[in-house]
Amino acid sequence: AQSVAQPEDQVNVAEGNPLTVKCTYSVSGNPYLFWYVQYPNRGLQFLLKYITGDNLVKGSYGFEAEFNKSQTSFHLKKPSALVSDSALYFCAVRALYSSASKIIFGSGTRLSIRP
Amino acid sequence: GAVVSQHPSWVICKSGTSVKIECRSLDFQATTMFWYRQFPKQSLMLMATSNEGSKATYEQGVEKDKFLINHASLTLSTLTVTSAHPEDSSFYICSALGTGGGYTFGSGTRLTVV
Repeated sequence: AQSVAQPEDQVNVAEGNPLTVKCTYSVSGNPYLFWYVQYPNRGLQFLLKYITGDNLVKGSYGFEAEFNKSQTSFHLKKPSALVSDSALYFCAVRALYSSASKIIFGSGTRLSIRP
Repeated sequence: GAVVSQHPSWVICKSGTSVKIECRSLDFQATTMFWYRQFPKQSLMLMATSNEGSKATYEQGVEKDKFLINHASLTLSTLTVTSAHPEDSSFYICSALGTGGGYTFGSGTRLTVV
């Protein structure tokens, strides 16, 4: 079975500081990992994904994520936070070569950037 | 880029009536679509997976007679909440899987049953 854990319900960061939103996963075989962002009463916007290749993945809005196979983690990072980054962030996973194409979401982390 | 249109964005209905939510992939064909439900301040819970031309696969605990899913074409899937009750009030989000392996989400539907 596949699962995703986001251990922090909320992350608070001052504008201009680096931010990290944590994610760990469990999946049989190679993982297909995603980060999405959600603004109030809106659907999900894709930020980035990891399939294979470089462990550091760069995505939208200056975000990046680092795949760490030994720690089964895929933490989201940004070098300098903006107030506009405040939103709800979801990590998601599926088994890369599974016949089941569904992706499973973590519980979400609310990111709050203070001016 | 890939766009998924979900309608309506919000709906209020009376208890006992049925509500249909549409999910369309506008510029790509989606052989597989997913329906999620999201409670306030919670994550997305997968309700069902639908493949074009076949019956939907429901997750454990989801009533298939309550939440009817139809995926009649490669660009359209619908979710009908039948005999809606206040506890069905929620935010429903669809997602479409494109041939390139990307998942695109609709903007969601806020359902309120009164």
